[in-house]
Amino acid sequence: DGGITQSPKYLFRKEGQNVTLSCEQNLNHDAMYWYRQDPGQGLRLIYYSQIVNDFQKGDIAEGYSVSREKKESFPLTVTSAQKNPTAFYLCASSIAGDTEAFFGQGTRLTVV
Amino acid sequence: GESVGLHLPTLSVQEGDNSIINCAYSNSASDYFIWYKQESGKGPQFIIDIRSNMDKRQGQRVTVLLNKTVKHLSLQIAATQPGDSAVYFCAEISNTGNQFYFGTGTSLTVIP
Repeated sequence: DGGITQSPKYLFRKEGQNVTLSCEQNLNHDAMYWYRQDPGQGLRLIYYSQIVNDFQKGDIAEGYSVSREKKESFPLTVTSAQKNPTAFYLCASSIAGDTEAFFGQGTRLTVV
Repeated sequence: GESVGLHLPTLSVQEGDNSIINCAYSNSASDYFIWYKQESGKGPQFIIDIRSNMDKRQGQRVTVLLNKTVKHLSLQIAATQPGDSAVYFCAEISNTGNQFYFGTGTSLTVIP
């Protein structure tokens, strides 16, 4: 089965700790994206990558970092510099330039 | 910057009625406009897209209308079913084809 997998589904961390969210896809997509969703809000773009070893900041990149060492993987690190990290994080992938993005099931991060 | 917004945050319809979800956009240079459906606790799923040079596109029980004059996008769902209850997002692809921009979302509730 082809798809995009995020793990874990729920994540709890103490304030001040860095945490890495996993995103893996076996769709052979070049493009991958990370979005943040807050309650009652739309999706805001954190980072995106169009190709391996390259990524670009989205609208709210501050306090986050990513890497794209493999085509299949696009992990997101939420650093201690992110002032309000509690949110629902969504990873997506697509054929570059295509209109259909495939989303993972999301990771709900709670920082206490 | 680009922005995609929605007129109404919530919509309730009777089962079997038609639903209309509206969206306003600001970037006239977008190549494509897209509708996504997000069920509770899940990632968004692609519904239908429309190219910027089209006015109307039909899918299975869904129709998307694009009015470029007033920068307005709508999603019509025919014979709404309980399974249609979800949050619906409009999105646009930047004219560089690199980013998806999502609106705030409209929560659709279907009343049996």
